[in-house]
Amino acid sequence: DAMVIQNPRYQVTQFGKPVTLSCSQTLNHNVMYWYQQKSSQAPKLLFHYYDKDFNNEADTPDNFQSRRPNTSFCFLDIRSPGLGDAAMYLCATSSAAGGTDTQYFGPGTRLTVL
Amino acid sequence: GQNIDQPTEMTATEGAIVQINCTYQTSGFNGLFWYQQHAGEAPTFLSYNVLDGLEEKGRFSSFLSRSKGYSYLLLKELQMKDSASYLCAAMDSNYQLIWGAGTKLIIKP
Repeated sequence: DAMVIQNPRYQVTQFGKPVTLSCSQTLNHNVMYWYQQKSSQAPKLLFHYYDKDFNNEADTPDNFQSRRPNTSFCFLDIRSPGLGDAAMYLCATSSAAGGTDTQYFGPGTRLTVL
Repeated sequence: GQNIDQPTEMTATEGAIVQINCTYQTSGFNGLFWYQQHAGEAPTFLSYNVLDGLEEKGRFSSFLSRSKGYSYLLLKELQMKDSASYLCAAMDSNYQLIWGAGTKLIIKP
């Protein structure tokens, strides 16, 4: 089945220790998104890629970086995690920007910062 | 500014009908999405409306009024597994989704 996969599902890191979250997709979608979602809050868009064209949201902290080496894979790097970065990180894909195509989400990675 | 409003929490009884309302203000409009999110899981797509009116999909229906900036999600014959958060999201002129914080639906036997 075509899907969006995120690894790991649960990640524990220490304050200030870099962490990388990964996302892969078999949907062959050209747009990929990274969201941060805290409990009982709306998902907050961090970045999105249209193919390799990177789009950074204005209020995304510099502590967050992203890489998309190819169509199928996307990574979220948190350079120095703080306690406030503990959240669910959601990867989503859609088939085109500039259109109304539905975003499909992976299962998420829950990040705990100790 | 851009804004989505939906109730924080609703309670309903198994077998009943519930309507979850959503109002939106966006810069331009390219459609309204509803997603279901179970606790600790990712959102899953339920419906998309871009034209006024009602879209029915089994037990779930979604309604849109563009002139009023209003949508609702109607859930019929409620089942315990419908206990979840329901997120409303409007797509703006830049094709970005503006998300609500979600409505937590509690189903009681």
